[in-house]
Amino acid sequence: DGGITQSPKYLFRKEGQNVTLSCEQNLNHDAMYWYRQDPGQGLRLIYYSQIVNDFQKGDIAEGYSVSREKKESFPLTVTSAQKNPTAFYLCASRPHGADTQYFGPGTRLTVL
Amino acid sequence: EDQVTQSPEALRLQEGESSSLNCSYTVSGLRGLFWYRQDPGKGPEFLFTLYSAGEEKEKERLKATLTKKESFLHITAPKPEDSATYLCAVHTSSGTYKYIFGTGTRLKVLA
Repeated sequence: DGGITQSPKYLFRKEGQNVTLSCEQNLNHDAMYWYRQDPGQGLRLIYYSQIVNDFQKGDIAEGYSVSREKKESFPLTVTSAQKNPTAFYLCASRPHGADTQYFGPGTRLTVL
Repeated sequence: EDQVTQSPEALRLQEGESSSLNCSYTVSGLRGLFWYRQDPGKGPEFLFTLYSAGEEKEKERLKATLTKKESFLHITAPKPEDSATYLCAVHTSSGTYKYIFGTGTRLKVLA
């Protein structure tokens, strides 16, 4: 059963902690993306990766880091440097040569 | 500046009352326009991709159309299960990663 999985569904973080959000896909898609969704705003791009071992900053990369060691995995680390990390985080992937992105179920991060 | 604007922000319909959602865009070059449905607390679900003016796509009670400046998502005889937020996004020619999302239209269909 192909798809995109994100874990955990809910994540709570204390101030000063780093946390890592998981994104896995078994669709054999080349490109993967991380977005942040806040109420009343459109999705904003954090990082994207078009191939393994390569990734690029999006519009709001400060305070975040990523890795792309495997084609199917694109984890996002929210560092303590991110001033306002409470949000809904969405991972997406896109097949090679296509324009349509497909999204995972999301992770809701709350800073306590 | 590339921009996507969706209207209205929220819409309440009676079951069976057809209507349209609007997505207007200003981009340097359009590579594709996308419609997604998003239920509360879930990721966006892909509905349609449109590439050129005049193109139309349908799925059940939904029909998406595209002009050079805007796209419409027509909902015919909606049911309560159509209640969701509908997102519009465009893929521009300005960069390989450049997808711009609107803020969405929250649709509520009353039984």
